Amino acid sequence: EAGVTQFPSHSVIEKGQTVTLRCDPISGHDNLYWYRRVMGKEIKFLLHFVKESKQDESGMPNNRFLAERTGGTYSTLKVQPAELEDSGVYFCASSQDGRTGKLFFGSGTQLSVL
Amino acid sequence: AQKITQTQPGMFVQEKEAVTLDCTYDTSDPSYGLFWYKQPSSGEMIFLIYQGSYDQQNATEGRYSLNFQKARKSANLVISASQLGDSAMYFCAMREVNTGGFKTIFGAGTRLFVKA
Repeated sequence: EAGVTQFPSHSVIEKGQTVTLRCDPISGHDNLYWYRRVMGKEIKFLLHFVKESKQDESGMPNNRFLAERTGGTYSTLKVQPAELEDSGVYFCASSQDGRTGKLFFGSGTQLSVL
Repeated sequence: AQKITQTQPGMFVQEKEAVTLDCTYDTSDPSYGLFWYKQPSSGEMIFLIYQGSYDQQNATEGRYSLNFQKARKSANLVISASQLGDSAMYFCAMREVNTGGFKTIFGAGTRLFVKA
């Protein structure tokens, strides 16, 4: 069974440009999460989808970030326009375990905004 | 307020010895889950172990055990018989069932170095 996949693995862009990150969760997982880790700090929650609906987007930093989940399958996270402080590793995770909430993570996208 | 605190940015351990990675948490929710995840150099986060707040016994998974001290709000990870492949970042995490929605929150991590 395929795990959570993220694309691209690395992205280097200039301030003001747009970047779109993609996440393919494990097939059948209704819950999809986006997280971000800035160097040396904790992994911060961004938002949570249940199927195609946004369950909780309380962690989204500002309106430059837009997340979508088409048909409840893959998800995209767009940053437009990117700022220097958006640099970090963006993780996607999916879950189907309602009791524990155990997460399955992708390998992350390393975003560098110059 | 920081809900998950990992006070050890880095730890060294000799191969084959045991090591304890510290984690304290803060919550007023009586129902919560605690997790440890491992992030090797490949980048992918790997689930290691889970402890529910109502579980009577400490969780164990192979060489991993979670030292759950509920009154002290600590959930330390114990790795027995360390191996070179245990060198990685380790993240403690918590999910509050009633007050936290469905999100899991993480600490800043501890980098473990296993010496041969």
